[in-house]
Amino acid sequence: SQQGEEDPQALSIQEGENATMNCSYKTSINNLQWYRQNSGRGLVHLILIRSNEREKHSGRLRVTLDTSKKSSSLLITASRAADTASYFCATDGWDSSYKLIFGSGTRLLVRP
Amino acid sequence: NAGVTQTPKFQVLKTGQSMTLQCAQDMNHEYMSWYRQDPGMGLRLIHYSVGAGITDQGEVPNGYNVSRSTTEDFPLRLLSAAPSQTSVYFCASRTEPRDSNYGYTFGSGTRLTVV
Repeated sequence: SQQGEEDPQALSIQEGENATMNCSYKTSINNLQWYRQNSGRGLVHLILIRSNEREKHSGRLRVTLDTSKKSSSLLITASRAADTASYFCATDGWDSSYKLIFGSGTRLLVRP
Repeated sequence: NAGVTQTPKFQVLKTGQSMTLQCAQDMNHEYMSWYRQDPGMGLRLIHYSVGAGITDQGEVPNGYNVSRSTTEDFPLRLLSAAPSQTSVYFCASRTEPRDSNYGYTFGSGTRLTVV
């Protein structure tokens, strides 16, 4: 089974609105990462937040991490049609191999 | 350009055929891994390697073999392809966790169809 579960599975918003995606995971982590995947394309790394961090920003992206609740959220502000994509969270564990395990993803549609 | 290169980009196999998906990186990363992505799902880890000569199983290793004879290359072998292995396969490498620029680099994927 996958480590992360994302909510919602699909999200449709109007251009200019904010989009929030949530990720829950099961085991202790070293860090959590968010990726974007455009339809039929490869993955693009968006942001990494370490287990000792609570919030991180990168441009229009804001990521929070609550290790007590084993959850993270990704906020995209002032969304654009070009943000239409699938977004995945992925967790890096504490074992020696640091395996990156992905969640099931949120499909975001930004309507112009 | 530095990165992860996967070949081929597309492949159609008949059930029972064998093939090798190639993955090469030129960033001197010790860690490499293979994922598969089925439609509408996230990536699932097949096999990974923490360095030349060392491999281990991920979440869904059955039906796949790997070897790591060099730092640069990490091929994925399907010995007897099955329709259930129809998927998009991604290879990735990463820097070491102690690095300040720790992160993963993904290849562009191989779309495999088994008929």
